[in-house]
Amino acid sequence: DAKTTQPPSMDCAEGRAANLPCNHSTISGNEYVYWYRQIHSQGPQYIIHGLKNNETNEMASLIITEDRKSSTLILPHATLRDTAVYYCIVRSRSNDYKLSFGAGTTVTVRA
Amino acid sequence: KAGVTQTPRYLIKTRGQQVTLSCSPISGHRSVSWYQQTPGQGLQFLFEYFSETQRNKGNFPGRFSGRQFSNSRSEMNVSTLELGDSALYLCASSLDTANTEAFFGQGTRLTVV
Repeated sequence: DAKTTQPPSMDCAEGRAANLPCNHSTISGNEYVYWYRQIHSQGPQYIIHGLKNNETNEMASLIITEDRKSSTLILPHATLRDTAVYYCIVRSRSNDYKLSFGAGTTVTVRA
Repeated sequence: KAGVTQTPRYLIKTRGQQVTLSCSPISGHRSVSWYQQTPGQGLQFLFEYFSETQRNKGNFPGRFSGRQFSNSRSEMNVSTLELGDSALYLCASSLDTANTEAFFGQGTRLTVV
C-alpha cells in the first residue's frame, strides 16, 4: 500500500474553510485517494474519494494535484461538529478491500 | 435506510474468556470488514468477508476469527482474551466492489480485566 503523510493536528475557525493536506508521493496509477473522519467515540465516516480529477460532494471538496502526489480536503464552512480526526487513505482499485488508516489529522474547530 | 448495527455496544470480559461480537450490515451490502482500534496502534484491519468467504486478513493471531452468514450478517470471535485485546471493534459494510465507500458501525467497546 502507498503511504500517506498528514500533519498531526490543525485548528480552524468556525465558519472558515478548513484545508487538510495529505502527501502520497508513492501513489500508483491504480490507487484512489479516500478521506474518512472519526468523531470521538464513533465509527469512521466516509467523506469523499477521487482518482485524479477534483471531486465535490455535500460534505467537502477533494483537490488532487496533477502529479497525484498530494491532495487537499476542503471543508468549505467548518462548524464545531466538524471537530474530528481526518484520515487520508490510498487504496488500490483492484482486490484491496481493506482500508489502511494512519494516524490522521486531529482537526479542532474553534468558535 | 438503517445503518450498520453492532452489538453489544459495550462488553467487559475476564482474561482467558472468549467473546463474540455481531455486525449487521446495511441491507444489500455483501462485504463486511472488521477493524480493531486501540490508542497505541490506531485502526487496524482484522479481516473482510464477502458472500460467506474470508477474502482478506490482517496481521492478527489465530485467536481472532470471524464468519459471515448467508444474510451477510457477520460475527467475530476472540478466544483466550488478553488484556491487550481491550479495544473498540468496528465493523464496516460496503457493496461488492473494491472502490465503494465503507460504512462503519458505532463499534463494540471491549474491556478485558
